[in-house]
Amino acid sequence: EDQVTQSPEALRLQEGESSSLNCSYTVSGLRGLFWYRQDPGKGPEFLFTLYSAGEEKEKERLKATLTKKESFLHITAPKPEDSATYLCAVQASDGQNFVFGPGTRLSVLP
Amino acid sequence: KAGVTQTPRYLIKTRGQQVTLSCSPISGHRSVSWYQQTPGQGLQFLFEYFSETQRNKGNFPGRFSGRQFSNSRSEMNVSTLELGDSALYLCASRPHDGDQYSAFFGQGTRLTVV
Repeated sequence: EDQVTQSPEALRLQEGESSSLNCSYTVSGLRGLFWYRQDPGKGPEFLFTLYSAGEEKEKERLKATLTKKESFLHITAPKPEDSATYLCAVQASDGQNFVFGPGTRLSVLP
Repeated sequence: KAGVTQTPRYLIKTRGQQVTLSCSPISGHRSVSWYQQTPGQGLQFLFEYFSETQRNKGNFPGRFSGRQFSNSRSEMNVSTLELGDSALYLCASRPHDGDQYSAFFGQGTRLTVV
């Protein structure tokens, strides 16, 4: 069964304090790994798609990396507006739906 | 380009009633998926439609059903509502079936069952 776990469950950072979020997955053949950001009461907002081990994607203060078993979302010098829940999802090569992790709730304090 | 539109945004229903939620995908997108999000279970896949056909289904009881129309718009129906059905219901669209395209989500419908 495809599974996704994320750690930590919650993370509090001071503005400017860089850190990383982890997404570990077990899937029968990875078609794609996706990162989303979700603000309270809203739908997830797409951030990145990663397809193969070694791949990296960047957007502003965020950088996503992928290995064969996990993905990291690195946040460099975060700002309060980066506060949100970050969700990781995988799509297996034999399926069409996404399996989501429980998310990491990030709070960036000014 | 307009995003994924879900209506209504908020809904309050009584236990035992039924409800229909609507989703209009991004123009040109043919795949529509539905998810239930609760604090305890997170985001759980309900079903996916492509070209009016259900292509995949999650582990939800038969009270949860859906359909897709020829214009790719989709509806989700929940019959005999239970208190535990209270959740944020999210719809996501993708341009193609089974491709490595990211899913784009709507704002969701917040359903409260009392």
